[in-house]
Amino acid sequence: DGGITQSPKYLFRKEGQNVTLSCEQNLNHDAMYWYRQDPGQGLRLIYYSQIVNDFQKGDIAEGYSVSREKKESFPLTVTSAQKNPTAFYLCASSSAVNTDTQYFGPGTRLTVL
Amino acid sequence: EDQVTQSPEALRLQEGESSSLNCSYTVSGLRGLFWYRQDPGKGPEFLFTLYSAGEEKEKERLKATLTKKESFLHITAPKPEDSATYLCAVQERESGGSYIPTFGRGTSLIVHP
Repeated sequence: DGGITQSPKYLFRKEGQNVTLSCEQNLNHDAMYWYRQDPGQGLRLIYYSQIVNDFQKGDIAEGYSVSREKKESFPLTVTSAQKNPTAFYLCASSSAVNTDTQYFGPGTRLTVL
Repeated sequence: EDQVTQSPEALRLQEGESSSLNCSYTVSGLRGLFWYRQDPGKGPEFLFTLYSAGEEKEKERLKATLTKKESFLHITAPKPEDSATYLCAVQERESGGSYIPTFGRGTSLIVHP
């Protein structure tokens, strides 16, 4: 089955710790994205990558970092510099950035204790 | 001002009571408009893509339509399993080349048996 997987489903972090959220896709898509979703708000773009070894900041990149060493994988690190990290994080992919449909993973809920 | 506005924020229907959800947008040139369904605690699931005014697409009890300034998601004779949040996203034609969609805040639909 082709799709996008995210792990873990739930993640708890103490203040001051960095955590890394995993995103893997087997759709052979070039483009991958990270979004943050908070109650009552639309999806906000954190980072996106159009191709391996390349990525761009989205609207709310501060306090986050990413890497794209493999086509299938686009991990997101939430650093201690992110002031309000508690949120639902969604990874998505599309065949290319300038084409249409994004497909989403199941999400990771991060809670900072 | 939000580029993509969805209304109403929340909608409660009785089973079988048809209604429509609205997505209005203010981008200067539309490249594509997307509808997604999101169940609580899960990632958005793709429903439709619309490209030009007058276009319509259907899937089971859902029908999406598009005009030059808004899109409607019509739900005919809804069932409780249609309960979800419906997200609209707009892809602008001239966006510096990235074409990343902008998401609305969603409409939360509850269908009572």
